[in-house]
Amino acid sequence: AQSVTQLGSHVSVSEGALVLLRCNYSSSVPPYLFWYVQYPNQGLQLLLKYTSAATLVKGINGFEAEFKKSETSFHLTKPSAHMSDAAEYFCAVSGTAGNKLTFGGGTRVLVKP
Amino acid sequence: NAGVTQTPKFQVLKTGQSMTLQCAQDMNHEYMSWYRQDPGMGLRLIHYSVGAGITDQGEVPNGYNVSRSTTEDFPLRLLSAAPSQTSVYFCASRTESTEAFFGQGTRLTVV
Repeated sequence: AQSVTQLGSHVSVSEGALVLLRCNYSSSVPPYLFWYVQYPNQGLQLLLKYTSAATLVKGINGFEAEFKKSETSFHLTKPSAHMSDAAEYFCAVSGTAGNKLTFGGGTRVLVKP
Repeated sequence: NAGVTQTPKFQVLKTGQSMTLQCAQDMNHEYMSWYRQDPGMGLRLIHYSVGAGITDQGEVPNGYNVSRSTTEDFPLRLLSAAPSQTSVYFCASRTESTEAFFGQGTRLTVV
């Protein structure tokens, strides 16, 4: 069965500092990987996705993620945090039979001025 | 395009009542899913469908039923509401290789 682990349920960063959110996955087949963002009281919005093309994926709002097969990781980064980045972030994987989309537990990001 | 439309946005039920959460998509996506979101637990899959007439259970299916009579619609039925079903529910649709598109969610409270 596929699964996703996000390390750290809460992350606090200073404005202008690096944002690093960790995601490790397990999948028995080459996966599709996604990062979503959720702002308070809203639905989920796609940040970026990996679908077996380039291993470094650029998304919206300055975020990017690198697919590392050897480490089964898909960590999300942004060089300089903005106050508007305060939200909850979810990593998700799809790839096994039935194409279920499985989510990690989420990481809530707090940005300090 | 409207994308994925969920109704209602908010609902309060008494224990034991039944109700149906509606979900419709206009993108001709074959896959549709229902998730529930609870604090600290991410999104957990309740039921999903890979096409009209085909449904399957996800991680937390107990107490919920689904059907998929058309490509567009995927309603979620709560048979006899319990306080443990208090949650935010999201419907999503996708194709095999694309990202999921989500509705705005239904906030359900069972008292």
